[in-house]
Amino acid sequence: NAGVTQTPKFQVLKTGQSMTLQCAQDMNHNSMYWYRQDPGMGLRLIYYSASEGTTDKGEVPNGYNVSRLNKREFSLRLESAAPSQTSVYFCASSVRAATDQPQHFGDGTRLSIL
Amino acid sequence: LAKTTQPISMDSYEGQEVNITCSHNNIATNDYITWYQQFPSQGPRFIIQGYKTKVTNEVASLFIPADRKSSTLSLPRVSLSDTAVYYCLVGDMDRAGKSTFGDGTTLTVKP
Repeated sequence: NAGVTQTPKFQVLKTGQSMTLQCAQDMNHNSMYWYRQDPGMGLRLIYYSASEGTTDKGEVPNGYNVSRLNKREFSLRLESAAPSQTSVYFCASSVRAATDQPQHFGDGTRLSIL
Repeated sequence: LAKTTQPISMDSYEGQEVNITCSHNNIATNDYITWYQQFPSQGPRFIIQGYKTKVTNEVASLFIPADRKSSTLSLPRVSLSDTAVYYCLVGDMDRAGKSTFGDGTTLTVKP
């Protein structure tokens, strides 16, 4: 079982470039999430989608946009990358967006912005 | 937001029991407490979840006191492969979707 698949695994951008990170899950989950993890720190929620057709801001949404393309796919876009967005980005999914539902994570996209 | 606080690091030896405590003083009535494990270059992996009292599964136990202002993850008889970062998460997805991961506890198991 693939679970949550993120592409690409690594990417280097120049300041000002745009980029879309892709995420797909095959568990028929309703809810999907994007987090960032800076070195030595915990995960911070960027955006989430409780169900197909809906998206909501998390703790650190500035500089990002998201699209819930269908039930399986949830993409994260950086329109004009900045060095402060250098981080590891994790996508996750859960049966539903509720605190009693564990999240399943992908293995991350490592993004460096020069 | 239910902010969480954990020890930055802990050391242990193989075969010992390890207890990691997470403080979450502002936990809300609807919030569950979830613990995740993360190895280098991987995403977090679900370990255990609870609402109150004690929960046990095949890998860990979770102890939650009556006031729910803290929780303790207990790992019995750790091995070298348990070396990882452990996060507790107290979420409020029902209201605002603002998950609060702490900075995690780095557990190092020594031979």
